[in-house]
Amino acid sequence: DSGVTQTPKHLITATGQRVTLRCSPRSGDLSVYWYQQSLDQGLQFLIQYYNGEERAKGNILERFSAQQFPDLHSELNLSSLELGDSALYFCASSPQPEWEPGLNTDTQYFGPGTRLTVL
Amino acid sequence: GQQLNQSPQSMFIQEGEDVSMNCTSSSIFNTWLWYKQEPGEGPVLLIALYKAGELTSNGRLTAQFGITRKDSFLNISASIPSDVGIYFCAGLGNSGYALNFGKGTSLLVTP
Repeated sequence: DSGVTQTPKHLITATGQRVTLRCSPRSGDLSVYWYQQSLDQGLQFLIQYYNGEERAKGNILERFSAQQFPDLHSELNLSSLELGDSALYFCASSPQPEWEPGLNTDTQYFGPGTRLTVL
Repeated sequence: GQQLNQSPQSMFIQEGEDVSMNCTSSSIFNTWLWYKQEPGEGPVLLIALYKAGELTSNGRLTAQFGITRKDSFLNISASIPSDVGIYFCAGLGNSGYALNFGKGTSLLVTP
């Protein structure tokens, strides 16, 4: 158990709909990352938040957005869903906002994921 | 993000055999990580490497950070059935904490 929790575990919805995925980081971790895992693209970084602020953006679509709340949990919002959005969505957390040479050696721990199926 | 080249794509071996997989990149990374993912679960961190040339072990697993900082390998000795899963390498560059992942090596172990 990594200490990162994600809900729901499974989500089935229809095209055009909007869903919200939730993540609670490990106790004490301030940074949250969202990744998408699909069969053809593998694990792709979407977005990072640190202590409530957006820190880095990856391959995140404009239809997707995220936020991190004062209690440090994070939500990933996916709207106008398409068939191709079906994938596993993982949240990861770490204490630091970024790797600092010589200052920290921590890394990211992943949650169990949310499997999204768009029909 | 940068795509890592991970090989082999899959391996089918007998229990007791040793396994070796590797990961290469055209870019330099400051950190190399190896994760294992089992069906229905998230990736679990196996080994983290922070210095070029570093060799680190975790039980029957050994990983090395290449001296060029563009590659890493993972060895599993005396494989057992519970080693089954997909192994991912991940690299961390200079820009923040976004991990770049390889496509994974799928390992199957027969008793």
